[in-house]
Amino acid sequence: GESVGLHLPTLSVQEGDNSIINCAYSNSASDYFIWYKQESGKGPQFIIDIRSNMDKRQGQRVTVLLNKTVKHLSLQIAATQPGDSAVYFCAENPAGVKAAGNKLTFGGGTRVLVKP
Amino acid sequence: DTEVTQTPKHLVMGMTNKKSLKCEQHMGHRAMYWYKQKAKKPPELMFVYSYEKLSINESVPSRFSPECPNSSLLNLHLHALQPEDSALYLCASSQEIRSPLHFGNGTRLTVT
Repeated sequence: GESVGLHLPTLSVQEGDNSIINCAYSNSASDYFIWYKQESGKGPQFIIDIRSNMDKRQGQRVTVLLNKTVKHLSLQIAATQPGDSAVYFCAENPAGVKAAGNKLTFGGGTRVLVKP
Repeated sequence: DTEVTQTPKHLVMGMTNKKSLKCEQHMGHRAMYWYKQKAKKPPELMFVYSYEKLSINESVPSRFSPECPNSSLLNLHLHALQPEDSALYLCASSQEIRSPLHFGNGTRLTVT
């Protein structure tokens, strides 16, 4: 289940089950969203992205859902494996940024623990 | 292995020291970024370079000075840092606007 407190929210999931990680984004002008995975001692690793003209996108074992009405993003991981244990961040990029380059803003993160 | 290489992996420096963090990518990306990450927190944007020009500075104190010598290299010069600047400093690059950032594994900085 999920727990929220002074530490990162944590999602404990049984190996083989599906995981769903949720993210509420803040800027209604954001038009590009990315999910990153960060393992201990490493930098964030790109998982999947989605633009605001889509509401669903699938990758290998992962699906991202975007609900612009309620400003909600989710990442679904199918058949979760021990190697999926990590911290997951959603990131949003506001539209209309005139300066070249992304101005990605990261959400707070969720720790996923996969139990064997 | 990441395609964005950061050196050094660890750095300990005193408050009066001057040091530099280095970042290199050979993916032909034209945008490069510095992020700062404290423990159990998300990365926070510091600087964005686009086509070797500084395009975004997120009100970072002047004791952090970025430099982009060419399209493959990005440096972060550090001077007179404070202990609260201790963090993981992440470099990233992207091909264009609205494309994913590729991160290095960071430099773990400790200011004593």
